[in-house]
Order: sequence, then C-alpha cells, then structure tokens
Amino acid sequence: DTEVTQTPKHLVMGMTNKKSLKCEQHMGHRAMYWYKQKAKKPPELMFVYSYEKLSINESVPSRFSPECPNSSLLNLHLHALQPEDSALYLCASSQGRGSNYEQYFGPGTRLTVT
Amino acid sequence: AQKITQTQPGMFVQEKEAVTLDCTYDTSDPSYGLFWYKQPSSGEMIFLIYQGSYDQQNATEGRYSLNFQKARKSANLVISASQLGDSAMYFCAMREDYNTDKLIFGTGTRLQVFP
Repeated sequence: DTEVTQTPKHLVMGMTNKKSLKCEQHMGHRAMYWYKQKAKKPPELMFVYSYEKLSINESVPSRFSPECPNSSLLNLHLHALQPEDSALYLCASSQGRGSNYEQYFGPGTRLTVT
Repeated sequence: AQKITQTQPGMFVQEKEAVTLDCTYDTSDPSYGLFWYKQPSSGEMIFLIYQGSYDQQNATEGRYSLNFQKARKSANLVISASQLGDSAMYFCAMREDYNTDKLIFGTGTRLQVFP
C-alpha cells in the first residue's frame, strides 16, 4: 500500500478564516513533506518533518503552520491567507532521507483564497 | 544554475508509439537519485521510476525505462507503446545525498498522446 491521503480535496476560504489541511500515511514512513504548487509550475517544498520533528522550513510565512501529531499524520494550519496563496497543496512521505528514497504524494488539496 | 533541466515544454506522440522525455541534471555530489513523476490533470504526483547514481543498469518499470547517461548527466524517460492515459505532465527530479530533505524538480514536460 503506497497511499497518502489528503483532506479536503477542495477548500475555499476567506482571508480572515482559519482552516486546516490534513495528510495521512500508513506506510511507516519517517519523513513527511508539504509542497505548494502553482499552475503549470513544479512543486515547491514548504516543510519537512523527520521522525515527527520539523527539520526544514523553507522560509514559509507564519500564516502557514505545520503540525505533526504522530508519525502517520501531518496537518497544515492556515490563517489569514492571501489570494496569492491559492494553489494545489501536496503532501508527501518517504521511508527515509537518503537519496534513494522516493517520495509518495497524496492527491492534493486545491485551495482557493477569496 | 538550474539543477534539473527539462527542455521540452510539450510533446506529442501517437498512441502505441514510443516517446522520450529529456532531463539533464547538475550536481557535484557523487551520490544522488533521479526520479520521474507523472502528474495527470487531477493533480496527484505519481512516482514512475528511480535511478541511483551508482546503478550500473538502466532502470525499467513496465513500459517506463530510464536512459541514464552519467557522463552526459542525462536521465531521459522512455515510454514505450504510449496510451491515451499517458497524457499528463511529467517531472524529472533529483535528490542529492548531502541535502536529502529536498527533491529538486525540473519545470516539467506536458505529454499529449493522440489516437
């Protein structure tokens, strides 16, 4: 089973709202990732968790707040977003951090900020 | 400098024909991995194939094969017997051993398969 699930699939939120994106994997993977992808562009790394600890924050604005409650779950809390934050948000996981470990991606959440 | 370069923004191929998607990379790390992902319009990134820098043989996975030319720093994806369902965006990506948290993506190639 190489499945990463993400909820919700679509999200529309106003600039004053607070919402959360959820990601789950049951492959026993030790690293989990959040990416942001704008249309016709490659994914951009936002955060990396390794063994449930935040290991990378790619200078992401504080209106995005990641959380890793346990080894299977990854959340992205959203607050006071801007219209330019509208994008596809992808979660991924990998078995480890070596160069030979592929990342498995979820189906993504399409976020629209109005 | 770009670490991963995909020079073909778009490619067309007829059903049942083979197609090659180009990817060149740049790294000074002797240990790295190269990956190809497929992204249909639905958005999910689907892992297709992996090639390690020390692998002696070219990777193959079903209809996908990787033409790995280490001296030229190229890792082209070959799709044999194209199907209509192969129409998608294809990304080449690299992961270097010294910076293993990051998967560096190319800009992608949009493949369209026509009947």
